[in-house]
Parts: sequence; C-alpha cells; structure tokens
Amino acid sequence: NAGVMQNPRHLVRRRGQEARLRCSPMKGHSHVYWYRQLPEEGLKFMVYLQKENIIDESGMPKERFSAEFPKEGPSILRIQQVVRGDSAAYFCASSLAKHYGYTFGSGTRLTVV
Amino acid sequence: GENVEQHPSTLSVQEGDSAVIKCTYSDSASNYFPWYKQELGKRPQLIIDIRSNVGEKKDQRIAVTLNKTAKHFSLHITETQPEDSAVYFCAASRVADGLTFGKGTHLIIQP
Repeated sequence: NAGVMQNPRHLVRRRGQEARLRCSPMKGHSHVYWYRQLPEEGLKFMVYLQKENIIDESGMPKERFSAEFPKEGPSILRIQQVVRGDSAAYFCASSLAKHYGYTFGSGTRLTVV
Repeated sequence: GENVEQHPSTLSVQEGDSAVIKCTYSDSASNYFPWYKQELGKRPQLIIDIRSNVGEKKDQRIAVTLNKTAKHFSLHITETQPEDSAVYFCAASRVADGLTFGKGTHLIIQP
C-alpha cells in the first residue's frame, strides 16, 4: 500500500494562474480531507469529501477554491487566479472511516510568484 | 466552531527527561483527540489518539490524558531521545467535522 499520494510535491505558479493539486487516498479509503499549512502554523481544515460528494467545505475560501473527488481518479484541489497569499503547503489526508485515524500525504508546496 | 489552544509553542528538554505538551479545546461535543508529529519538511504522522470514552492511553514512551470536564488533553513523552525532536500538533474533532489543529509545539531534545 503506497499510502496517500500527493502530486506535485512542489508547484510554482505566477499570480493569476490556476493551481491543481492532486491526491490519491490510501487503497480502500473513501474519506478525503484537505488541509492548508502556512509557515510556522498548524494545519487548517479546508474540505472533507467522500466519493463524489463534498461533506463539509466550511474551511474553504468561498471564491477561487474548489475541490472534487470523482468516482474514478484522485481528489483535486483547484485554486483559480492564485495570489501570493495562497502560498502554503497543502496536505491531503484519507481515512477508512470517520475518526479512524488520518493518514497524511507528503503535501504539495505551492509557491506563488 | 471548535478552537484548540496548544502550549508551549517551544519546549526544550534534556535527553532522557520527560516532555509534556498541553491542549485545550472549546467544543464540549468533540470526541476525538489525535496527536501528530511533523518533522521538518515532512508529512504529519499520527502518533497516538484518544476518544472521549477513555481518560488515558499509553503506547511505550508516549501517553495521552484527557480531561473532558476541563476540556483539556496532554501528550506525555518519557525518556526523550534525539529523534523525538519535531513539531507536535494536537487536534480535536466531533462527528461530521474536520480536525481542528493546535498551532504546534516545537520540541527540542538537548543532548
């Protein structure tokens, strides 16, 4: 089991471009969570998805950010028209069931220049 | 929503001594409290977790205690070793919510 796979590990985007971050959960896990970590900060919850459904997006900015977890393929976190403040590490986690212990991916470090 | 406070932000202990990190939470409905260890540039890794029907849980040198009345929980690491140096995050959640993390404690083990 390869664990939670995130790609790319590093992503550089110019202001105004789009960033697409991908996350493949652990085999058998149907719960996916996205977190953002700013330098010297804890992880902030963004969105919780199950296959094809957004369960909780209370931590997601209302504009420019969207997430999906299609029936086939990885979960995608999409940031449109990126700004410098979007620069952060974005971690995806998956779990077998709610509260069963998350496993985090290695993160995608987004830098907006 | 939930608010988690974590203290201290930095903790330096001598190798072999114990380290204690404390967290408080605000939502009395929270019922799951995991602890994560994050080494520089790496993913957070779950080291221990506790649910609200348990007051204490131990795994070798690591233990977590939970006081639901006071709404606080603590991580205890005994006989600390250099490889324990990392940032530790506490978190809390309840059903249907994502985890709310504390801001982290940078644990430094002095040789």
